[in-house]
Amino acid sequence: DIQMTQSPSVLSASVGDRVTLNCKASQNINKYLNWYQQKLGEAPKLLIYNTNNLQTGIPSRFSGSGSGTDYTLTISSLQPEDVATYFCFQHNSWPDTFGAGTKLELK
Amino acid sequence: QVQLKESGPGLVQPSQTLSLTCTVSGLSLTSNSVSWIRQPPGKGLEWMGVIWSNGGTDYNSAIKSRLSISRDTSKSQVFLKMNSLQTEDTAMYFCARNRGRLDYWGQGVMVTVSS
Repeated sequence: DIQMTQSPSVLSASVGDRVTLNCKASQNINKYLNWYQQKLGEAPKLLIYNTNNLQTGIPSRFSGSGSGTDYTLTISSLQPEDVATYFCFQHNSWPDTFGAGTKLELK
Repeated sequence: QVQLKESGPGLVQPSQTLSLTCTVSGLSLTSNSVSWIRQPPGKGLEWMGVIWSNGGTDYNSAIKSRLSISRDTSKSQVFLKMNSLQTEDTAMYFCARNRGRLDYWGQGVMVTVSS
């Protein structure tokens, strides 16, 4: 199984900061990488699919990049409503696997 | 408007079988695939398996021997059955539409395994 490693596990930032979350796969996943946002008590919400495609309705401050084994989710200007846990997810190889998540907090 | 909703028992005894239903609306199961994902309290997400639009299935090898996913297209329902439940199977169980990306999710159903 492909292992997905997210870093950092917890990130504290201030409103307006540019925030970068990282996800590393144990092997090449050919850009089949999605990002999800999960707020407390809610289902995950798809933000970005296939590395850099913004899901409909998601604010443009969210963006994704990467290739091979290394991927990044960037929030250009952190907003209070962005406090959540963010998960990466690969669907290149069976079984599909999630990272353990990065918890984003306000400083 | 695509919607998915999970239902099932909130409490299951150890060694028993879990049966969950995912009822979908706004989409056809003959042209859409549905995955099951679970999340233990305070922990990360685990992809469990998928039923494809053609009715074929794929499962996470870690739980494949205990898991079965099926559907009733006439009722727009997808079913999950998992046997030999243990306390570590306590989790929130979600179903989601699978288009390579899991774009629509149900709100989840909490299942506690306890005697």
